[in-house]
Amino acid sequence: EVQLVESGGGFIQPGRSLRLSCTGSGFTFGDYAMSWVRQAPGKGLEWVGFIRGRPYGGTTEYAASVKGRFTISRDDSKSIAYLQMNSLKTEDTAVYYCNKWGATSYAYLDYWGQGTLVTVSS
Amino acid sequence: DIQMTQSPSTLSASVGDRVTITCRASQTIVTWLAWYQQKPGKAPKLLIYKASSLESGVPSRFSGSGSGTEFTLTISRLQPDDFATYYCQQYNRYSTFGQGTKVEIK
Repeated sequence: EVQLVESGGGFIQPGRSLRLSCTGSGFTFGDYAMSWVRQAPGKGLEWVGFIRGRPYGGTTEYAASVKGRFTISRDDSKSIAYLQMNSLKTEDTAVYYCNKWGATSYAYLDYWGQGTLVTVSS
Repeated sequence: DIQMTQSPSTLSASVGDRVTITCRASQTIVTWLAWYQQKPGKAPKLLIYKASSLESGVPSRFSGSGSGTEFTLTISRLQPDDFATYYCQQYNRYSTFGQGTKVEIK
């Protein structure tokens, strides 16, 4: 059974940094791209970025709203994907979901974690 | 960036109704479109991918169609469990979600 478990959320002041983790199990982690999607309170879904799987070089892409501040990385030996968030802003407050691509080269999201809440406030 | 526009934003319907939600892309996305269902406090669930492919385990009353820039999600006979918010997602170039359509009880 595929499972994704996020951790690392919490309350943080503007300008500070936070790292989220996503631990995957039940699939060959390294073969799949991993994605992050966020949802601000009462709002819709916003794609944050993704990191490609090992067959595609592990390269990353980001939404314009987080580019230059957020970094996605992965440790395939531990089946963990990370979202490093720097220079946090109040508008980054959201539930952050980790996702797995449904196919090795297609970015529909067939599994989602339970989400972890990040609150950015002074 | 590719923009995705869903309509309507809210839809009131009754159990047994046929429901259709539309998603329009700002440029062609071929058939690289997925649909998700989200219930309050829960993670979204994949329903449809590649515009019309039904995800395993999803009831057959859900169907998707379209190509290019116009897509639809249809629920043939609405069930009590289907009252939720639905999102489309393009994955032709990176990813973008529509703003969501809330299906509520009439």
